[in-house]
Amino acid sequence: KQEVTQIPAALSVPEGENLVLNCSFTDSAIYNLQWFRQDPGKGLTSLLLIQSSQREQTSGRLNASLDKSSGRSTLYIAASQPGDSATYLCAVGGSQGNLIFGKGTKLSVKP
Amino acid sequence: GAGVSQTPSNKVTEKGKYVELRCDPISGHTALYWYRQSLGQGPEFLIYFQGTGAADDSGLPNDRFFAVRPEGSVSTLKIQRTERGDSAVYLCASSLLGSDGETQYFGPGTRLLVL
Repeated sequence: KQEVTQIPAALSVPEGENLVLNCSFTDSAIYNLQWFRQDPGKGLTSLLLIQSSQREQTSGRLNASLDKSSGRSTLYIAASQPGDSATYLCAVGGSQGNLIFGKGTKLSVKP
Repeated sequence: GAGVSQTPSNKVTEKGKYVELRCDPISGHTALYWYRQSLGQGPEFLIYFQGTGAADDSGLPNDRFFAVRPEGSVSTLKIQRTERGDSAVYLCASSLLGSDGETQYFGPGTRLLVL
């Protein structure tokens, strides 16, 4: 059974810092990996989608990498801003498209 | 509408009651997913529709939970004889084809509280 783990559970950084969020999964037979952002009381917003054949994806200040063989992904956020404060969720995609999520990393960026 | 919508946004009910939660996916999306998110946890998959049919219902916790999508658009998640442990945020997502590699677009969720 696929399990997704995110470390750390919470992170607090001063504005401007570069930071890395970690995601690991137990079964390397994934179809894709997605990173989502969730604001309090809100739904999920997709940030980056990495196909199983890809190594990384970039969008603005965000860069996500995928190493299927070791069961790991990282989300790199450059020059963090207070508006980046949210919970970041990692999810791996199965053959039917359903996603298996980690518990998330709660990020707080202090001005 | 431009995104996935869910109604109601909040629902408070008493133990033992029946509830219905509605999801309106992005127009033209054939795939629809229901997830449940408990406090401090990531969303957990419940059921996946491809068109009108349930392609995978392996995540439904028990037979009190049922979902339909009769016309391949709007979906309703139905919970019978609600229990306090059913309290959670129920999220709906849709994607264009349901194939692997597609982004899923999530609605804002319905917060269910069973007293």
